Amino acid sequence: AQKVTQAQTEISVVEKEDVTLDCVYETRDTTYYLFWYKQPPSGELVFLIRRNSFDEQNEISGRYSWNFQKSTSSFNFTITASQVVDSAVYFCALSEAQQGGSEKLVFGKGTKLTVNP
Amino acid sequence: ETGVTQTPRHLVMGMTNKKSLKCEQHLGHNAMYWYKQSAKKPLELMFVYNFKEQTENNSVPSRFSPECPNSSHLFLHLHTLQPEDSALYLCASSDVVIGEAFFGQGTRLTVV
Repeated sequence: AQKVTQAQTEISVVEKEDVTLDCVYETRDTTYYLFWYKQPPSGELVFLIRRNSFDEQNEISGRYSWNFQKSTSSFNFTITASQVVDSAVYFCALSEAQQGGSEKLVFGKGTKLTVNP
Repeated sequence: ETGVTQTPRHLVMGMTNKKSLKCEQHLGHNAMYWYKQSAKKPLELMFVYNFKEQTENNSVPSRFSPECPNSSHLFLHLHTLQPEDSALYLCASSDVVIGEAFFGQGTRLTVV
């Protein structure tokens, strides 16, 4: 069975600090996809990244970076120089490759990040 | 309008009521989803529709009844709900080729 674990329930940092959100996953599939979503207080999940299991290159997008390590089944997310607007709940998710393309996302419980001024 | 729109944003209903949640996507996607987000549980997939056909029912009780009349609209019909069904219900859509799901803002449902 697929499972996503986000061990950090809540993190609180001061603005401009770097922060890493951990994500560990379990799957028996060789082809799968990993995601990060941000959920601000307004409620909608905002897509941040999708990574397939064959692409282990780390990715950087502005202040965001992701470290995918298949050997440890981890897909960690780092925010550099955090800002108050980064305060949200962040979800890591896993999806197996589906016939027909639709994705069944299995989510972690989320990490609530609070960035204080 | 762009993106995924859900109405209503908030809903309070009694256990004997019948109500419907609506989701509309303006992204040209061909897959749509309902997810449930409860206070103490991870986000749970409820239903998946691919090209208007239901392809997944994740052991959801029959008091939740989805409907997908076309690839842009998705409904969740609710009847005789229980207080434990109170949650945030999120709709999402995706393109079956490109893949990533885009979510609406959700309907906050309270069953009294």
